[in-house]
Amino acid sequence: DIQMTQFPSTLSASVGDRVTITCRASQSISSWLAWYQQKPGKAPKLLIYKASSLESGVPARFSGSGSGTEFTLTISSLQPDDFATYYCQQYHSFSTFGQGTKVEIK
Amino acid sequence: QLQLQESGPGLVKPSETLSLTCTVSGGSISSSDYYWGWIRQPPGKGLEWIGSIHYSGSTYYNPSLKSRVTISVDTSKNQLFLKLSSVTATDTAVFYCARLATKYSYSSYFDYWGQGTLVTVSS
Repeated sequence: DIQMTQFPSTLSASVGDRVTITCRASQSISSWLAWYQQKPGKAPKLLIYKASSLESGVPARFSGSGSGTEFTLTISSLQPDDFATYYCQQYHSFSTFGQGTKVEIK
Repeated sequence: QLQLQESGPGLVKPSETLSLTCTVSGGSISSSDYYWGWIRQPPGKGLEWIGSIHYSGSTYYNPSLKSRVTISVDTSKNQLFLKLSSVTATDTAVFYCARLATKYSYSSYFDYWGQGTLVTVSS
């Protein structure tokens, strides 16, 4: 099984901050990685797929990078609507999610 | 616009079988070559993939749940189903159905999600 380790688990930031979340795979997954945003009581929303491809309709302040075992999600300028929990997902071999990163107001 | 909607009992007793339905609208399960999946999320915790199915009946399950899970599909009703047997309190979770985004692939990201349904396991 491929394990996904995501960090930090919680991140305190202010509006306008640049935010980076990291996801590490237990083995190489090439670029088969997605990022989701989830707000309380809602289903996850796809942000990024194939490590760096932006889903249609997602603001350009979200970006993804990485390949192999190390990946990052960056929010270039945090907006009020971005306070949420973010998950990575590998789909190189079936599917495994990271533990999540909660982005909260500083 | 593709929409998915989960339904089923909100309360299940320990040792019984949890049964959920996902109704797909805005598109046909059988006219596409996508896989459809179930994911769960215990309260306050992360996401766990349960399994995925193609309308042809091809299924793939999370090894940690495989012995207790059955996923099936009814193309005439445009529905997919989840059965999880011998449940315990640790199976309490919000259950989501979702579409895998890549045609013909059982390993993909999820692009369309249902709103989720909470199932509590308790006597």
